[in-house]
Amino acid sequence: KQEVTQIPAALSVPEGENLVLNCSFTDSAIYNLQWFRQDPGKGLTSLLLIQSSQREQTSGRLNASLDKSSGRSTLYIAASQPGDSATYLCAVSKDGNKLVFGAGTILRVKS
Amino acid sequence: DAGVIQSPRHEVTEMGQEVTLRCKPISGHNSLFWYRQTMMRGLELLIYFNNNVPIDDSGMPEDRFSAKMPNASFSTLKIQPSEPRDSAVYFCASSQDRNYGYTFGSGTRLTVV
Repeated sequence: KQEVTQIPAALSVPEGENLVLNCSFTDSAIYNLQWFRQDPGKGLTSLLLIQSSQREQTSGRLNASLDKSSGRSTLYIAASQPGDSATYLCAVSKDGNKLVFGAGTILRVKS
Repeated sequence: DAGVIQSPRHEVTEMGQEVTLRCKPISGHNSLFWYRQTMMRGLELLIYFNNNVPIDDSGMPEDRFSAKMPNASFSTLKIQPSEPRDSAVYFCASSQDRNYGYTFGSGTRLTVV
């Protein structure tokens, strides 16, 4: 059974810092991996989708990497802003349909 | 596009009552997913449909839960009878293709008292 772990569980940083969120998964036979953002009381917003054949994806200040063989992904956020404060969720899929989520990292960026 | 639309946003009901949650996926998306989010268990897939056909309902916790997708623009998740442990946020999501990301709705916060 696929298990997804996210470290750290919570992170507080001053504005402007670069930061890394970590995600690990136990079964490397994945189809893709997605990073989501969830604001309090809201739904999930898809940030980046990495196919199993890809090594990384970038969108603005966000960069996600994937090392499928070791079962790891990282989400790098450059020059963090208070508006980046949210819960970040990593999810993997074996078939491109069913997602298995990690518990998330709660990020707080202090101004 | 208005995105994935869920209703109601909040539902408070008494134990034993029937609850129906509704979802309108994004037009043109052929896959629809129902997830449940709780503090204890996080996000869990309940069921998903492809082209209106249920593909995997292994996450549906009990026979009290049922889901339908009568057409490409509408799905329901029904709980009958509801119990306090069903209290959670229920999300609907849709996807155009497995090579594209999901779009989630804003969720329905269900409280069963």
